[in-house]
Amino acid sequence: ETGVTQSPTHLIKTRGQQVTLRCSSQSGHNTVSWYQQALGQGPQFIFQYYREEENGRGNFPPRFSGLQFPNYSSELNVNALELDDSALYLCASSLASGTSAREQFFGPGTRLTVL
Amino acid sequence: AQKVTQAQTEISVVEKEDVTLDCVYETRDTTYYLFWYKQPPSGELVFLIRRNSFDEQNEISGRYSWNFQKSTSSFNFTITASQVVDSAVYFCALGMDSSYKLIFGSGTRLLVRP
Repeated sequence: ETGVTQSPTHLIKTRGQQVTLRCSSQSGHNTVSWYQQALGQGPQFIFQYYREEENGRGNFPPRFSGLQFPNYSSELNVNALELDDSALYLCASSLASGTSAREQFFGPGTRLTVL
Repeated sequence: AQKVTQAQTEISVVEKEDVTLDCVYETRDTTYYLFWYKQPPSGELVFLIRRNSFDEQNEISGRYSWNFQKSTSSFNFTITASQVVDSAVYFCALGMDSSYKLIFGSGTRLLVRP
């Protein structure tokens, strides 16, 4: 059984640039959630994808967007990067019917630094 | 509003001591789920346990045990005979049956010294 993988591991961007982060879900999982974890804080929910559609969204602006592909992998895109976007971005996969908080299994994260 | 509070920012213990990490939650939902995750320095969140609101039985898994008390809205985590490898940040999280997101506390950093 393959766990959740994310790429890249680390990324450095400058303010105003755009970034794409990638996630492959755990084998058999059909739902992917993205979280942002600022230094010293708990993860904050960005959004979730189920059946290739956004299934719910946290308190993040529209410049945070995503995609889910038929193989259940996912991308997180952030446009017009700001300094406060510097964080660890975590992807989590689960087997869900679209609702309910099932066990979410997390990847190792992508650490984004915005200069 | 849903909220998770982990009042202990950092705990330091000597190896083999027992340690309890506190978690207090707030929700008006009658069906909800509580989780604990471990985050070692590598950054990956490791799933430890999920409990639903209808199951108040305490659980033990090896050196780990969890105490769920709805009367005090708490879901505390105890590590018995701590080891250096237990050093990590531990997060408590809340999920509702009506939602899909997990709400995390701010975490407790546990340092186990040899």
